Amino acid sequence: QQQVKQSPQSLIVQKGGISIINCAYENTAFDYFPWYQQFPGKGPALLIAIRPDVSEKKEGRFTISFNKSAKQFSLHIMDSQPGDSATYFCAASIRNNFNKFYFGSGTKLNVKP
Amino acid sequence: DTAVSQTPKYLVTQMGNDKSIKCEQNLGHDTMYWYKQDSKKFLKIMFSYNNKELIINETVPNRFSPKSPDKAHLNLHINSLELGDSAVYFCASSQVGRTTYGYTFGSGTRLTVV
Repeated sequence: QQQVKQSPQSLIVQKGGISIINCAYENTAFDYFPWYQQFPGKGPALLIAIRPDVSEKKEGRFTISFNKSAKQFSLHIMDSQPGDSATYFCAASIRNNFNKFYFGSGTKLNVKP
Repeated sequence: DTAVSQTPKYLVTQMGNDKSIKCEQNLGHDTMYWYKQDSKKFLKIMFSYNNKELIINETVPNRFSPKSPDKAHLNLHINSLELGDSAVYFCASSQVGRTTYGYTFGSGTRLTVV
């Protein structure tokens, strides 16, 4: 059973557009929600993360929106660029559980020039 | 300079063989992990060691055996390889107990069993 559900599976966005990737979870014990970015042939790299005590976190063009009551969180990439083309993974974990992360199934983003 | 390094990067082997993948981290982290990424890109945790002690052992065939000689190294040995073992295996490290935390992943080992 997948603990974190991610959608869409793939996404095509024009350069300059907004990319939105959504994740949902069931376990209310989760208390840390990172997003990872993976380029072909590389390992995933931590992009941005949020804790459930805030509803939004922004770092440059990347924003996480968090809805605790709905148990959903999403990644918004503003002014999407071709260099953002990668696979994005959401994840969730429980503090004091040795950083065991549950990953979403990934979204392949293609930003067209 | 590489934070988490895995060797080899590619591994092609025949069914039934035994192979090992090595991982080393120079970040001073106390916890290391092995993840398997299948052909659909799904990432699933296999094992984790904290200060050389096995702390996470998911439902993985016992043909897979991790070994951590020290907290900077975590190796994965696979016996009697099967076609279904073909995947990309990622090593990662993390520091437990930090206020904010995440993984640093290696660049992966693509295992192909023929």
